[in-house]
Amino acid sequence: ILNVEQSPQSLHVQEGDSTNFTCSFPSSNFYALHWYRWETAKSPEALFVMTLNGDEKKKGRISATLNTKEGYSYLYIKGSQPEDSATYLCAFMKTSYDKVIFGPGTSLSVIP
Amino acid sequence: NAGVTQTPKFQVLKTGQSMTLQCAQDMNHEYMSWYRQDPGMGLRLIHYSVGAGITDQGEVPNGYNVSRSTTEDFPLRLLSAAPSQTSVYFCASSLAGTTYEQYFGPGTRLTVT
Repeated sequence: ILNVEQSPQSLHVQEGDSTNFTCSFPSSNFYALHWYRWETAKSPEALFVMTLNGDEKKKGRISATLNTKEGYSYLYIKGSQPEDSATYLCAFMKTSYDKVIFGPGTSLSVIP
Repeated sequence: NAGVTQTPKFQVLKTGQSMTLQCAQDMNHEYMSWYRQDPGMGLRLIHYSVGAGITDQGEVPNGYNVSRSTTEDFPLRLLSAAPSQTSVYFCASSLAGTTYEQYFGPGTRLTVT
């Protein structure tokens, strides 16, 4: 079973703070790394899909980086807003046509 | 497009009962998965399918069966429900052979008493 880890488990920040989370995955084989945003009582929605070492993706105030050689990805949120409060999940795929395994998530609360 | 649909939205079962959770997608996605949401553990993969007629086990397959007779449908069967199967179940689909970005259904909340 693949081990996908995320840290921290939860985070409470003030509105306007910038924050970042980590996703760690096995570095031996790599196909794709996904980031999802999961709001309470909703379904997860994809933020980023990354497939190449060194990939950097950006959507508004949220960005992500990928290091496949050392097996980690960072998600950054600049100037957190209350609407950013959600659980952020990463998901790892070792090879094509294989399992998509999720990490346990980082729960972010942004305090107004 | 309706995307990924799941029925029922809510279900209460007694221990030992069986039932089937339905999942359908209209996006012509070959790849489909079932996950369960467990507190502190995110989403855990139960079973997945890379196309009609092909299924494989995920992280937590025990107590669940799947089949994939069409591209559109991927039902999940609970053989003999146990309280440990109380959870929210999500079905997801994606295009195979691509980045596998997952599109999720709305979930089924199952309680086993």
